[in-house]
Amino acid sequence: AQSVTQLDSQVPVFEEAPVELRCNYSSSVSVYLFWYVQYPNQGLQLLLKYLSGSTLVKGINGFEAEFNKSQTSFHLRKPSVHISDTAEYFCAVSDQNQAGTALIFGKGTTLSVSS
Amino acid sequence: DTGVSQDPRHKITKRGQNVTFRCDPISEHNRLYWYRQTLGQGPEFLTYFQNEAQLEKSRLLSDRFSAERPKGSFSTLEIQRTEQGDSAMYLCASSLPGYGYTFGSGTRLTVV
Repeated sequence: AQSVTQLDSQVPVFEEAPVELRCNYSSSVSVYLFWYVQYPNQGLQLLLKYLSGSTLVKGINGFEAEFNKSQTSFHLRKPSVHISDTAEYFCAVSDQNQAGTALIFGKGTTLSVSS
Repeated sequence: DTGVSQDPRHKITKRGQNVTFRCDPISEHNRLYWYRQTLGQGPEFLTYFQNEAQLEKSRLLSDRFSAERPKGSFSTLEIQRTEQGDSAMYLCASSLPGYGYTFGSGTRLTVV
């Protein structure tokens, strides 16, 4: 069975500092990987996704992530954060070989950006 | 593209009552998913439709839960005889094959 581990439940950071949110997955098959952001009392918004090809994926709002198959990781990075990046971030995985199967989410990382 | 719409946004109900939520997906998306999210947790998969066919159900979906997508367009999720443990955010998402999901804003259920 697939699973996702987000290694940090909370990440506090100062504005304009770089940030990395860590995600490791467990799967015996090839996977698709996603990062979503959730603002309070809202649904989830897709930040970026890895389906195939280049292992460095660029997303919205200046975020990027790198797929590392050997380490089964998909860490999210941003070189300079803003106050408005304060939100909950979720890493998710799905099975490439079973189109349409459910996304499995991690428990989330709360990013808190302060001035 | 008006996004995924969910109705209502908030629902407060007494324990034992039945509730029904509606989800309108993006019109060209043939896949529709229901998730449940409790405080401090990631979304947990409940069920999935491709067009009108319900193809997968999680073990989280007890007999009190039922979902339909009668014409392959909107979907409803009904919870019968609600319990306090049903209090959560219920999220709907839709997708096309090979793409990430688009989520709605969710329905927050509070059972008192």
